[in-house]
Amino acid sequence: EDQVTQSPEALRLQEGESSSLNCSYTVSGLRGLFWYRQDPGKGPEFLFTLYSAGEEKEKERLKATLTKKESFLHITAPKPEDSATYLCAVRGSTSYGKLTFGQGTILTVHP
Amino acid sequence: SAVISQKPSRDICQRGTSLTIQCQVDSQVTMMFWYRQQPGQSLTLIATANQGSEATYESGFVIDKFPISRPNLTFSTLTVSNMSPEDSSIYLCSVAGEGNQPQHFGDGTRLSIL
Repeated sequence: EDQVTQSPEALRLQEGESSSLNCSYTVSGLRGLFWYRQDPGKGPEFLFTLYSAGEEKEKERLKATLTKKESFLHITAPKPEDSATYLCAVRGSTSYGKLTFGQGTILTVHP
Repeated sequence: SAVISQKPSRDICQRGTSLTIQCQVDSQVTMMFWYRQQPGQSLTLIATANQGSEATYESGFVIDKFPISRPNLTFSTLTVSNMSPEDSSIYLCSVAGEGNQPQHFGDGTRLSIL
């Protein structure tokens, strides 16, 4: 059974204070690791897909990296508008397109 | 990416009643999914909606409680039957294209049962 664990559960940062979110996973044949951002009252918004260990993706202040056991979402010089819940999900080789989600990290960036 | 519309966006229902949630996509998609997100929790997959055949349900979810239809490649419905307060949750529709594409989500239906 695919499993995803995210840490920390909640993270409070000052504007400009860089940090990282962790996503640890176990999966049978990783086909993709997905990062989403979810704002209150909205559905998850797709950010990145990572397919293999060593891969990195960047978008504005966000950078996602992947190893064989975990992924990190690095946030550089965050702004208050980066405040959201960040969700990690995996798709395994036997998942038939399904995603298994972690519990998410609630990020709050104070001005 | 596809534009996904869910109706209703929220509802308050009496226990014992049923509610049907609609998911409309602006383009044809291969795969459609229904998730539940309970307050403060992450997403739990209810079922995969298969076009032209019965939905595939995850462990803990049954067709009698959550019947799903998918009459074509752009539309699906999820019915929450015989509702109880434990069914109060956000119900989300997602879609994905061919191959190893990411899923994209609607904004959900916020359901409260009194």
